Amino acid sequence: DAGVTQSPTHLIKTRGQHVTLRCSPISGHKSVSWYQQVLGQGPQFIFQYYEKEERGRGNFPDRFSARQFPNYSSELNVNALLLGDSALYLCASSPRAAGETGANVLTFGAGSRLTVL
Amino acid sequence: AQKVTQAQTEISVVEKEDVTLDCVYETRDTTYYLFWYKQPPSGELVFLIRRNSFDEQNEISGRYSWNFQKSTSSFNFTITASQVVDSAVYFCALSEAGTGGGADGLTFGKGTHLIIQP
Repeated sequence: DAGVTQSPTHLIKTRGQHVTLRCSPISGHKSVSWYQQVLGQGPQFIFQYYEKEERGRGNFPDRFSARQFPNYSSELNVNALLLGDSALYLCASSPRAAGETGANVLTFGAGSRLTVL
Repeated sequence: AQKVTQAQTEISVVEKEDVTLDCVYETRDTTYYLFWYKQPPSGELVFLIRRNSFDEQNEISGRYSWNFQKSTSSFNFTITASQVVDSAVYFCALSEAGTGGGADGLTFGKGTHLIIQP
């Protein structure tokens, strides 16, 4: 069975540009979460989506947005990129929604490494 | 606000030694979950264990063991007879179930880089 898949694996952008990162959850998982991991730090929660609805949001600016599609895949969008947005962006899936038992049992993908120049 | 502290930035041991990774957490919730994840160089976070706040029993899984002590707000992880393949960054994380078990995501520590030398 395929795990959580993310694309692209690596990308380079310049300041001010926009980026879209994609995630496909494990088959049968309806919840997708996004995390940002800056070099040398632990992952930081950005969003959680379940059944196409936002169920949780971390402390990130409005330049960050996401959506979930009917097939439960998800996109993370970041506008007006800053140098500080350079990080590994991790997607995780779960079979449960926020508020349900087991919602925090996450399976992570390998991430998309974004470099902003 | 919740917080996870992993004071050990990097640990280096020789293969077959035992090693303990420390984790101290802060939360106002009485119901919460604690986790350990392993991150090899490939970047993918690998789930190791989840423990809820009502279960203080220590757990052993092969060479891995976890010691949960609510009195000291600690959830330490020990690898017995370490192997080179254990080299990775290890993260401790916290989820406050009071808000609904996941709506605020997991709060991670900064990680401990474990190096096992042959």
